[in-house]
Amino acid sequence: TQLLEQSPQFLSIQEGENLTVYCNSSSVFSSLQWYRQEPGEGPVLLVTVVTGGEVKKLKRLTFQFGDARKDSSLHITAAQPGDTGLYLCAGIIQGAQKLVFGQGTRLTINP
Amino acid sequence: GAVVSQHPSWVICKSGTSVKIECRSLDFQATTMFWYRQFPKQSLMLMATSNEGSKATYEQGVEKDKFLINHASLTLSTLTVTSAHPEDSSFYICSHLDLKGGETQYFGPGTRLLVL
Repeated sequence: TQLLEQSPQFLSIQEGENLTVYCNSSSVFSSLQWYRQEPGEGPVLLVTVVTGGEVKKLKRLTFQFGDARKDSSLHITAAQPGDTGLYLCAGIIQGAQKLVFGQGTRLTINP
Repeated sequence: GAVVSQHPSWVICKSGTSVKIECRSLDFQATTMFWYRQFPKQSLMLMATSNEGSKATYEQGVEKDKFLINHASLTLSTLTVTSAHPEDSSFYICSHLDLKGGETQYFGPGTRLLVL
């Protein structure tokens, strides 16, 4: 059973297009993180969201935490080839210490 | 963010040998560290939670006698893959937990293990 459903798992779009990646769960998370991972490297933290309804922006990336803290989204505006990579959402279920990962979204931005 | 290092970054070994992977927290004292395994084109799977000074907590399906974890200090945790077999070939990643700033985990760069 996948506690955190991430979609889409694969996405290939043209440079300049917008995209949204979703993470959904039936569980409540005390916090949720988004990571980006390059081949052969560990995940690098992009953002942590902790408050329901919270929106954080990182240049062209916008992260949103659902009001009920059960879901999150990552929106990229005007995608660039440099955005290509594996994006992972991960959250700590309320009351637990373990980080639960989504399946990941392998994003390819074509020039 | 906090810095986590891993050593070695990659290792090739013969089937039946044991391999030790070190995970160091460089600028933070980590009472809790985590070990993950990642197969190609898949997400990270938690193997165990390593607690300083006590026994590790293993996830269901992870053999504790095969994957030995030692967290002897606040800055060092080790994972030893005993009697490695080709199916143990994977990317092993450690992380530590920062309870400040939203329970963020900071990950090491990973260790790629290839068992021949």
